[in-house]
Amino acid sequence: AQSVTQLGSHVSVSEGALVLLRCNYSSSVPPYLFWYVQYPNQGLQLLLKYTSAATLVKGINGFEAEFKKSETSFHLTKPSAHMSDAAEYFCAVRAGANNLFFGTGTRLTVIP
Amino acid sequence: SAVISQKPSRDICQRGTSLTIQCQVDSQVTMMFWYRQQPGQSLTLIATANQGSEATYESGFVIDKFPISRPNLTFSTLTVSNMSPEDSSIYLCSVSGTANTEAFFGQGTRLTVV
Repeated sequence: AQSVTQLGSHVSVSEGALVLLRCNYSSSVPPYLFWYVQYPNQGLQLLLKYTSAATLVKGINGFEAEFKKSETSFHLTKPSAHMSDAAEYFCAVRAGANNLFFGTGTRLTVIP
Repeated sequence: SAVISQKPSRDICQRGTSLTIQCQVDSQVTMMFWYRQQPGQSLTLIATANQGSEATYESGFVIDKFPISRPNLTFSTLTVSNMSPEDSSIYLCSVSGTANTEAFFGQGTRLTVV
């Protein structure tokens, strides 16, 4: 079985500050991990993915995430928040199944 | 990548009626999925749409309520039957290739049942 836990349903940061969105996974087999972003009234857009290659993964819009097996984590970071980063972020895992299992999401607010 | 067209984008329906949502992909894909996103919540898998056979439903979802068709490798429909206000959600179509590739999502269908 696999699951994802996102700590913090809401995160607020000031514009220009570091963004850190937390994701921990549970999986009995090596996982594939994904971060998606959802802007209001839109579908999901892939930010980045981990598929057992490099543990530090760079994605679009300046985001990156590091896969840490020892901590079963895949936290999403961005050095400097921009107003346009305000959105809902979902961590997802696929392990031993075809479909994705999603976390509960983290709503990011950027304060000017 | 895959481009997914989902129709309708939104609808307001009367309780007791049914709505069929269409998902069209611009290329042949192996796996197609239907998710539900209830207001303010995450995505929950409804079912895997299998080409040429009955869909595989997740726990809590049944074929009588959410019949699914997948006549070919580029198209699927999800019907929400005998709707109630509790069915008000965003319904998303998703496709993917192999296990190590990302899933692509349609824009979603925002359903309101009154």
